[in-house]
Amino acid sequence: AQSVSQHNHHVILSEAASLELGCNYSYGGTVNLFWYVQYPGQHLQLLLKYFSGDPLVKGIKGFEAEFIKSKFSFNLRKPSVQWSDTAEYFCAVSTDNQGGKLIFGQGTELSVKP
Amino acid sequence: DAGVIQSPRHEVTEMGQEVTLRCKPISGHDYLFWYRQTMMRGLELLIYFNNNVPIDDSGMPEDRFSAKMPNASFSTLKIQPSEPRDSAVYFCASSLPGTGVDEQYFGPGTRLTVT
Repeated sequence: AQSVSQHNHHVILSEAASLELGCNYSYGGTVNLFWYVQYPGQHLQLLLKYFSGDPLVKGIKGFEAEFIKSKFSFNLRKPSVQWSDTAEYFCAVSTDNQGGKLIFGQGTELSVKP
Repeated sequence: DAGVIQSPRHEVTEMGQEVTLRCKPISGHDYLFWYRQTMMRGLELLIYFNNNVPIDDSGMPEDRFSAKMPNASFSTLKIQPSEPRDSAVYFCASSLPGTGVDEQYFGPGTRLTVT
């Protein structure tokens, strides 16, 4: 069965540090890839998405992610984090045989210290 | 568009009572999803519908849980009888896949507390 794995459960950074959150999926076919963010007490919001084309995707608030097909990865990056980036981040995948269903990773909690 | 609407936003009930959560998806979206989020289990997909028809309910934890979608603009998730371990945030999401916009749009959630 398809699955999504996020390597880090909790990441703690200081402001201005660089961020990279890992995400790997298991599926050999066509995928669409997403990163969602959940700020404390709020619902999930889309951060960025990849469907096709340039594997380097830029999202809101300075985030970007790179799709590396050979590694089945879609890591999230930000060169300089801010305290307001404190949130939980979810990687998700939709596949060509799941009809709209997203498979979510377990989430990574990011804490940014001011 | 107002986005996905859920009600109530907060629900506190006693064990054994029936709880009904409501969701209005984004107009035109033909997929609707119900998720449960807890600290212990993270984000779990309970059930999803396509064109008002349940497609996959394998995530529904027990027979105490049931979901309906009587029309394209309304869905309910019912728990009867409720138990303390049902305490969680329940999210509804909708999407319109197949058009290059597969992302799901989440509602604000219903925080359920069963005492």
